[in-house]
Amino acid sequence: QQQVKQSPQSLIVQKGGISIINCAYENTAFDYFPWYQQFPGKGPALLIAIRPDVSEKKEGRFTISFNKSAKQFSLHIMDSQPGDSATYFCAALGGATNKLIFGTGTLLAVQP
Amino acid sequence: GAVVSQHPSWVICKSGTSVKIECRSLDFQATTMFWYRQFPKQSLMLMATSNEGSKATYEQGVEKDKFLINHASLTLSTLTVTSAHPEDSSFYICSAISGARYGYTFGSGTRLTVV
Repeated sequence: QQQVKQSPQSLIVQKGGISIINCAYENTAFDYFPWYQQFPGKGPALLIAIRPDVSEKKEGRFTISFNKSAKQFSLHIMDSQPGDSATYFCAALGGATNKLIFGTGTLLAVQP
Repeated sequence: GAVVSQHPSWVICKSGTSVKIECRSLDFQATTMFWYRQFPKQSLMLMATSNEGSKATYEQGVEKDKFLINHASLTLSTLTVTSAHPEDSSFYICSAISGARYGYTFGSGTRLTVV
């Protein structure tokens, strides 16, 4: 119940295309859903986050879509650029613990 | 914004020696710090949670005698890998929160190679 399932494992997108990464969770106590971007040899950096009281949040080219009833959320990267090539992790937080639960990660490659 | 500094960024040590990794919150007081381990092409695995001035709480399966965590001040936590072996080679990452539970900030990670 503490797991966050993430798909796909890897993704190849052409420059200018839309990258979509999906996550699903089981624990309804989760109340914070961040996405992290990680470049090789670096720690994860917060990209965008959402709370379950909204269905969508947009920051620049990055959008989170949240479906509370389906317990799913997704990251959309519009106009994908080669510089977006990185590993993306969804995560969830909530309930009695302050531990972030990470998804398995998606390796995104944006081809020029 | 909040910054967490992790040092060293990489270290190579001989098998059987100990290695210390530091995690510092530069511009905020970190009430809680977390230590993660990440193998290549895998997700972050939480090793332990530490609160300033108290003993760390280790996740199941993590050897507390091997991975010593000290959180002596509100700006510094250290992870010491004792009697390191090649299987301890990994990428270690710390993160910190300042009380607001949603305000996670991650360090840049430490690549440990044990030869």
